[in-house]
Amino acid sequence: GDSVTQMEGPVTLSEEAFLTINCTYTATGYPSLFWYVQYPGEGLQLLLKATKADDKGSNKGFEATYRKETTSFHLEKGSVQVSDSAVYFCALNSGGSNYKLTFGKGTLLTVNP
Amino acid sequence: DAEITQSPRHKITETGRQVTLACHQTWNHNNMFWYRQDLGHGLRLIHYSYGVQDTNKGEVSDGYSVSRSNTEDLPLTLESAASSQTSVYFCASSERSGGRTDTQYFGPGTRLTVL
Repeated sequence: GDSVTQMEGPVTLSEEAFLTINCTYTATGYPSLFWYVQYPGEGLQLLLKATKADDKGSNKGFEATYRKETTSFHLEKGSVQVSDSAVYFCALNSGGSNYKLTFGKGTLLTVNP
Repeated sequence: DAEITQSPRHKITETGRQVTLACHQTWNHNNMFWYRQDLGHGLRLIHYSYGVQDTNKGEVSDGYSVSRSNTEDLPLTLESAASSQTSVYFCASSERSGGRTDTQYFGPGTRLTVL
């Protein structure tokens, strides 16, 4: 079945540091890949997505590239801010008649000033 | 603006009581989902619906039920609450358009405590 593995946290960085959160997946077919972000006390919201191999999703300075050969979708940001402190979830949808998302367990990021 | 709302935002109940969590969306989306979020488990799918009168079990459906009588609402019922059901519950919805490319939109969550 489908599964998503993302690096365990928590991750603690200083402001302006470089961020990488690793995500790898196992899926049937050709999945779409997503990163969702959950700020404290809120629901999840879409951060970025990629729907085919070699696509790069980007938003708010975050980027992730869909790598089919390594089954990965790592999240990166060149310079994090305190306001980026949140939980980040990698997810996939393997398609067909299936509209469900499979989530990783989430990575807590804390950015200190 | 279209949105997805959940009520109540916080609920404390006792073991054995029936509890219903409400989810209402104004996106006019066909697909609706219920998840629970627990430390160390991420989000786990409880039930989902692809349209009116359609409901399906997710990976952790035991002790939960849903019904879909209209497009906007998917209430989640705990028939007899147990302490293991203490969690944060999220409702989500998506269009049935691009299939695997569809974005899910999440509500703000309901924190349920079962004593």
